[in-house]
Amino acid sequence: GAGVSQSPRYKVAKRGQDVALRCDPISGHVSLFWYQQALGQGPEFLTYFQNEAQLDKSGLPSDRFFAERPEGSVSTLKIQRTQQEDSAVYLCASSLGADQPQHFGDGTRLSIL
Amino acid sequence: DQQVKQNSPSLSVQEGRISILNCDYTNSMFDYFLWYKKYPAEGPTFLISISSIKDKNEDGRFTVFLNKSAKHLSLHIVPSQPGDSAVYFCAASGHSGAGSYQLTFGKGTKLSVIP
Repeated sequence: GAGVSQSPRYKVAKRGQDVALRCDPISGHVSLFWYQQALGQGPEFLTYFQNEAQLDKSGLPSDRFFAERPEGSVSTLKIQRTQQEDSAVYLCASSLGADQPQHFGDGTRLSIL
Repeated sequence: DQQVKQNSPSLSVQEGRISILNCDYTNSMFDYFLWYKKYPAEGPTFLISISSIKDKNEDGRFTVFLNKSAKHLSLHIVPSQPGDSAVYFCAASGHSGAGSYQLTFGKGTKLSVIP
């Protein structure tokens, strides 16, 4: 497809489990961003990659959150020992360059029971 | 402390009339502004952007105005159509430091266009 693809669309996990969320950016897009969106709020920045380099992870809420993009294309956001407050929609966005408009996927809705 | 504020949670407009969505920001380092449209269960879709060196950008029915001195921007949609009904997010970014290029979003304004 031509857009940003995220999987799974929905994920339910028990508190304490680890989860992994996948993002396939638009082909050729150098920049990749992860955002977290709570209900009724705007998306909030988590982390930013330029190719395979993670240049900014200032938005990650704790050391339980880890993101990688080993080959500069697909990215995975991993959350260890999930907590109820991790329940949110996780959005991935990519752009041609860091200062270009970001294009978003449809997100993964994560529910922690 | 919200750096991007959309003070109207919702707005209703008659079909064919103008919709005006407003956004205020507090961070003087922001120099690039974007509007996104979001339907339920979908990701935000990019609509239009403006750089701080401009005060207006137009794309079809959509025009964004930027007033830097007031730290205010607005999105005008004319004429409004029922398909424009969605949540609209204002976003801003600044090009400096380790946090550059990340987008800071407002909470969104839900637009309803009444046929």
